[in-house]
Amino acid sequence: SQQGEEDPQALSIQEGENATMNCSYKTSINNLQWYRQNSGRGLVHLILIRSNEREKHSGRLRVTLDTSKKSSSLLITASRAADTASYFCAPQGSSNTGKLIFGQGTTLQVKP
Amino acid sequence: EPEVTQTPSHQVTQMGQEVILRCVPISNHLYFYWYRQILGQKVEFLVSFYNNEISEKSEIFDDQFSVERPDGSNFTLKIRSTKLEDSAMYFCASSEVNTGELFFGEGSRLTVL
Repeated sequence: SQQGEEDPQALSIQEGENATMNCSYKTSINNLQWYRQNSGRGLVHLILIRSNEREKHSGRLRVTLDTSKKSSSLLITASRAADTASYFCAPQGSSNTGKLIFGQGTTLQVKP
Repeated sequence: EPEVTQTPSHQVTQMGQEVILRCVPISNHLYFYWYRQILGQKVEFLVSFYNNEISEKSEIFDDQFSVERPDGSNFTLKIRSTKLEDSAMYFCASSEVNTGELFFGEGSRLTVL
């Protein structure tokens, strides 16, 4: 089954700086999704990038996908304290169940 | 904006008791999921449900667990005889299609004493 591995495990930056998180996966995908989880809360979908796309933007988020390297990155620009959370990538294959498998994530701390 | 709702938000139970966690998925969604997250650990897949039957389940989802969609709106997770190690946050999720985003509820925290 598909599982992404996020890197780094933890990231601490100052407010206003950019945060970059990376994701690697192992098999072919239909799409790759990024989620955020604030402590003790449910996961929130951030962005979905399809296998035929290379880059996608949503507000302060920029996601890239390199299927040849089986990797993705999530860039959060001009970070805010409210961006403090754990971030997960979830590669989605052609499974007909639609399930996603989550890794350990990247814990981002944005200091005010 | 439509959302997935879960009840209860927190349940405390004695070991060996049965627990039912309830979820109301988004109304036009067809795929339903349960996940759990033990404190400090990653979010783990339990089961997916489509067309009124389990479509996939993980090794965690043993005979103690069952799911049901009793009335076309609710989606429930039952744990027959709870164990201490079942203490976790349980998340329900739903999706419209099997190649799209999952919408998660805020979770039900289960504490087994």
